[in-house]
Amino acid sequence: DVKVTQSSRYLVKRTGEKVFLECVQDMDHENMFWYRQDPGLGLRLIYFSYDVKMKEKGDIPEGYSVSREKKERFSLILESASTNQTSMYLCASFSNYGYTFGSGTRLTVV
Amino acid sequence: GEDVEQSLFLSVREGDSSVINCTYTDSSSTYLYWYKQEPGAGLQLLTYIFSNMDMKQDQRLTVLLNKKDKHLSLRIADTQTGDSAIYFCAEKAAGNKLTFGGGTRVLVKP
Repeated sequence: DVKVTQSSRYLVKRTGEKVFLECVQDMDHENMFWYRQDPGLGLRLIYFSYDVKMKEKGDIPEGYSVSREKKERFSLILESASTNQTSMYLCASFSNYGYTFGSGTRLTVV
Repeated sequence: GEDVEQSLFLSVREGDSSVINCTYTDSSSTYLYWYKQEPGAGLQLLTYIFSNMDMKQDQRLTVLLNKKDKHLSLRIADTQTGDSAIYFCAEKAAGNKLTFGGGTRVLVKP
């Protein structure tokens, strides 16, 4: 089974802090994705990557950046955290027929 | 543009069948998916259907696809309390990006 691991289940950060959310997959997949999930808004795509060192903006990239230095790891970076970035963040890796998701990181910015 | 819509809520009695509906707009969609999210967890792939099929059955799950009306449904037979969750439909069009609906919260009553 493909495993997608997000390093933290819960995080609390202060406004203005730089925040790193880490995601690792163990199946050598090329495509990886970061979504945020908010009540009433469903899942919205922040950034995705088709391969190492490649990144593409999703639908809501403002305030975020990403890093893909190794194939298995896709990091989401909040350059200066703000309260409106309080959300559930979901990482996914694409296999032949669909995404495999991590368990999610619930980030609270205070 | 891509847009996927689902009803927000479904209540069903244990042992009855549940039907969750979804509409999508992108006629170039190649795969359509159903995901399940239990409280505090990531999304779990339940089943998928290729766009040239109109039905797929997998144990208690039946997926129906009406490509003309761009309508997708998920039927869960003999619904159990463990089926209480949020269900997301998603479409895959160009590239490997998925577009998700807002999710349908299913509540199974004993």
